Amino acid sequence: AQRVTQPEKLLSVFKGAPVELKCNYSYSGSPELFWYVQYSRQRLQLLLRHISRESIKGFTADLNKGETSFHLKKPFAQEEDSAMYYCALSLKQFYFGTGTSLTVIP
Amino acid sequence: DAGVTQSPTHLIKTRGQHVTLRCSPISGHKSVSWYQQVLGQGPQFIFQYYEKEERGRGNFPDRFSARQFPNYSSELNVNALLLGDSALYLCASSLGVTGGVKNQPQHFGDGTRLSIL
Repeated sequence: AQRVTQPEKLLSVFKGAPVELKCNYSYSGSPELFWYVQYSRQRLQLLLRHISRESIKGFTADLNKGETSFHLKKPFAQEEDSAMYYCALSLKQFYFGTGTSLTVIP
Repeated sequence: DAGVTQSPTHLIKTRGQHVTLRCSPISGHKSVSWYQQVLGQGPQFIFQYYEKEERGRGNFPDRFSARQFPNYSSELNVNALLLGDSALYLCASSLGVTGGVKNQPQHFGDGTRLSIL
């Protein structure tokens, strides 16, 4: 069974529009969750982790234990946000979702 | 800081051959993990090593093996290559073992693109 589900493979939004990338996880305890981003021709890099509760590049992610979700949000998308985004759950190992490719249309 | 380095960047092999992929972690990181990423999927966990010991293994056949050296670098070996082993192999390092230190991220290398003909 998938531990991490990202239901949207592709997501397109216009510049300046809000964006939300969905992530649901399967774990009954206190999860350790991360968002990773991969820009074109770059390596996979950490975007943010839920424990930090900080905003990185305008992105935030809130853990909702009731819905077992950790959606990534940004109020105003920028062209440079176009990238592949992966949600990950850390248990004894890291479990990654299948990723969402975000395209921000100018 | 050079970050996680992997070699080679690309590799072409034929079925039945074996391959060795190499990884150097970020300085100070003692844990190395290996992942397989096939097109359209997220990284799939293969192994984690910490202080030269295997600390986790994913759902991969025994054809896959790895080891970690005293300088914390690591090798991933795959024997009897199959077409389905064609993938991007990612190495990631972290300070400690996953699940041991809370909320520590993995830091990834650029990967080795393995193609099996």
